[in-house]
Amino acid sequence: DAKTTQPTSMDCAEGRAANLPCNHSTISGNEYVYWYRQIHSQGPQYIIHGLKNNETNEMASLIITEDRKSSTLILPHATLRDTAVYYCIVRVYYGGSQGNLIFGKGTKLSVKP
Amino acid sequence: NAGVTQTPKFRVLKTGQSMTLLCAQDMNHEYMYWYRQDPGMGLRLIHYSVGEGTTAKGEVPDGYNVSRLKKQNFLLGLESAAPSQTSVYFCASSQTGYNEQFFGPGTRLTVL
Repeated sequence: DAKTTQPTSMDCAEGRAANLPCNHSTISGNEYVYWYRQIHSQGPQYIIHGLKNNETNEMASLIITEDRKSSTLILPHATLRDTAVYYCIVRVYYGGSQGNLIFGKGTKLSVKP
Repeated sequence: NAGVTQTPKFRVLKTGQSMTLLCAQDMNHEYMYWYRQDPGMGLRLIHYSVGEGTTAKGEVPDGYNVSRLKKQNFLLGLESAAPSQTSVYFCASSQTGYNEQFFGPGTRLTVL
């Protein structure tokens, strides 16, 4: 079972920041938070991951609370092409892991004009 | 680079027929994975491979077999298809078990 809880759906106005929350209250000390998204039944796409510090890349920012029990994915300027299902996943980050991702149902983000 | 490709894109089978789905990656990745996705659900891992010549079971392996004879290819076989195997199948690859996974476009399989 997925170890995360996400809202089923969210709306965001085009050009505004989209803030997607994720609860992972049982996260272990060696587990990272990963975010993927899936656009219209395409294959999932990696967005970002982090352990405890905030992370930023060209796609998004990841804010992880100090107690690591929740996080927020931020898309700074959402566009219509960001409409997708966003998955928050926690998993161990170490060599030798089988590496499989355990997907929940994710959050359906709808960006509206 | 093509990334991860899957063949075929669509397929319709009758119950009891067999088929093989092909996944190919050109990124020289060690790890490869097969997932299935049912309507309204997240992806579930079927089988995976941590290198050429190796395979292992994932969360939902029953009714499927896999082979990784070449590093760049990962084959998923259905020996006797059942309607419960109607799904969208995604292949993915990664350099290690913790790097980001790159996904293919999916194969939509219907078993009548």
